[in-house]
Amino acid sequence: GQNIDQPTEMTATEGAIVQINCTYQTSGFNGLFWYQQHAGEAPTFLSYNVLDGLEEKGRFSSFLSRSKGYSYLLLKELQMKDSASYLCAVRDRDYQLIWGAGTKLIIKP
Amino acid sequence: ETGVTQTPRHLVMGMTNKKSLKCEQHLGHNAMYWYKQSAKKPLELMFVYSLEERVENNSVPSRFSPECPNSSHLFLHLHTLQPEDSALYLCASSQSTEPGSAFFGQGTRLTVV
Repeated sequence: GQNIDQPTEMTATEGAIVQINCTYQTSGFNGLFWYQQHAGEAPTFLSYNVLDGLEEKGRFSSFLSRSKGYSYLLLKELQMKDSASYLCAVRDRDYQLIWGAGTKLIIKP
Repeated sequence: ETGVTQTPRHLVMGMTNKKSLKCEQHLGHNAMYWYKQSAKKPLELMFVYSLEERVENNSVPSRFSPECPNSSHLFLHLHTLQPEDSALYLCASSQSTEPGSAFFGQGTRLTVV
């Protein structure tokens, strides 16, 4: 079967750095996506990785290792508004999106 | 505002009721999706429409019936639902070749009593 694993919940402090991991086992690979979802709101696209390495976008970076079936989302200089769920999704060989259950990130002052 | 609008935002219905969820996208996309999001579970893809044709139906019970009258509108008709159908129902749209970078609506929080 296909599955995506990510921690259910993480807690971090305002101003700090947090890394949210995602491991996947899928039938083929055509890209990995990270989405942010605030409570009661729509998921919004954060990043896309299809080649190994780090993609940086402001305070957020996403890393991919295809050989290890592994990605992480790195959030720097955490702000209270970063409290949200972070969803990892992988596009398989049929271009179907396989979703993780999401990681709820709690930011404390 | 993501360009994808869902109504209503909240819905409480009895198991014998019939209701419909509505989704409208203003992005010029040609693919639309219905997802179910339950607490602490992955997003479940329910239906996919591409160019107004249903291209995927992931073994969804017949008490959920989608309708796509044009490329901008998508409906989910509900009847005789069960309490376990209570969830957040999300609509999304994309260009059909790029389903991963879909834009989501804010969802309808459905409670079946």
